[in-house]
Amino acid sequence: DQQVKQNSPSLSVQEGRISILNCDYTNSMFDYFLWYKKYPAEGPTFLISISSIKDKNEDGRFTVFLNKSAKHLSLHIVPSQPGDSAVYFCAASAPGTDSWGKLQFGAGTQVVVTP
Amino acid sequence: ETGVTQTPRHLVMGMTNKKSLKCEQHLGHNAMYWYKQSAKKPLELMFVYSLEERVENNSVPSRFSPECPNSSHLFLHLHTLQPEDSALYLCASSRRQPPAPITYEQYFGPGTRLTVT
Repeated sequence: DQQVKQNSPSLSVQEGRISILNCDYTNSMFDYFLWYKKYPAEGPTFLISISSIKDKNEDGRFTVFLNKSAKHLSLHIVPSQPGDSAVYFCAASAPGTDSWGKLQFGAGTQVVVTP
Repeated sequence: ETGVTQTPRHLVMGMTNKKSLKCEQHLGHNAMYWYKQSAKKPLELMFVYSLEERVENNSVPSRFSPECPNSSHLFLHLHTLQPEDSALYLCASSRRQPPAPITYEQYFGPGTRLTVT
């Protein structure tokens, strides 16, 4: 049973515009969320995270929003750049109950930024 | 990024072969993980090691055998694999024990692309 879902397998966005990636989760014990970016032939790279005590975290062009009541988070990339073209994975963790920090991943969203 | 390295990057093996995947982390972390990524599927956690002790085995078949000789190295020994085991195998590390601050982020290696023929 997949506890973290990314329902959009792909997203195409024009350079300079906003990219919005969505992620839903089902396990209410999750209290820490992460976004990873993956280029072909490379491992996932950590991008940004958010704790459940916050509803927004911003780092440069990347902002993650968390809506706990809806069990939904999103990643905004503004402005989108060609180098942002990659697969983006949403991940969730329950560090309060799981001391080993196991991550549950979504299936990923392929982002293509066009000129 | 050379914090977590994996060798080999690509591996083709027959179903009767025995091979090993190697992972090394240079980040001073004390927990290491093996993940499997099959096409169009989420990353699946296989094993978790903390301070060289296996703390999680996610119902992985015995044809996959992990080894963690120290906190910097992690191996995945493979034998009599099946074609459906063809996938990208990713190693990750994190800091899960004091005295250093505990972090929740995991840092990944580039992966080994495994093909079983």
